[in-house]
Amino acid sequence: GQNIDQPTEMTATEGAIVQINCTYQTSGFNGLFWYQQHAGEAPTFLSYNVLDGLEEKGRFSSFLSRSKGYSYLLLKELQMKDSASYLCAVRGSYNTDKLIFGTGTRLQVFP
Amino acid sequence: DVKVTQSSRYLVKRTGEKVFLECVQDMDHENMFWYRQDPGLGLRLIYFSYDVKMKEKGDIPEGYSVSREKKERFSLILESASTNQTSMYLCASGLKPEAFFGQGTRLTVV
Repeated sequence: GQNIDQPTEMTATEGAIVQINCTYQTSGFNGLFWYQQHAGEAPTFLSYNVLDGLEEKGRFSSFLSRSKGYSYLLLKELQMKDSASYLCAVRGSYNTDKLIFGTGTRLQVFP
Repeated sequence: DVKVTQSSRYLVKRTGEKVFLECVQDMDHENMFWYRQDPGLGLRLIYFSYDVKMKEKGDIPEGYSVSREKKERFSLILESASTNQTSMYLCASGLKPEAFFGQGTRLTVV
C-alpha cells in the first residue's frame, strides 16, 4: 500500500524555527516534494529531495532519509505569511510525475 | 513562467448534470493530472495523462472520465454529477522534477 503521514496541525511563533515531519511507505520511490498551499490557493513548489541529506533554499530546508522513509521541512525565521498548509508528496515512479500526497500540515504562525 | 489555467474558479451544478472542467498549460508538458482536494483527505489523484490521447486511472477514478485531444489541454468530465463530488478540483502539469498547479475549481453539486 501507499501511505504518507504528517501531523495535521502545528503552531509556532513569529521568528521561531519549526520542523514539519513526513514519513512515507510507498511501493516505489523517485523523489520527495514539499509544497506550500495558502488557504484558497493552489499548491506551490517548495523543495525536492531524491538523495539522502539536506537541501537548503533560503529560510526553508528539506531533509530526506530514504532508509527510514522520512523527511522533514525546516522553516527558519518564521513570518506571518508562512501560515499555510504544507504538503508532503512522493513520486513513486521514474517515468511519470505522478505524485502521492499526504493530507498536509496546517501551520499557524502567531505574533 | 509556467502557467496552468483552469477554466472556472467556482461552479455550481445540479445532481445528474454532465460537468466539464477544463485545464490548459502553456509549457508543452507531456504529463498532466487531475486531483481533488477534500478536508482531512489531502490531494487524491483522479486521472493522469502522459501524452495526447493517453490516460491512466489514478486512485479515485470512479464517476469521472478525462479527455486529452491536444497536448496543452486536459479535461475532466463528471458524467452524472453527484453531491459527493462536491470538492476542490486541481489540475497539474508536470515537468521534472516538479508539478505546477492551476488555481483550482471549487465545484458544488446541489
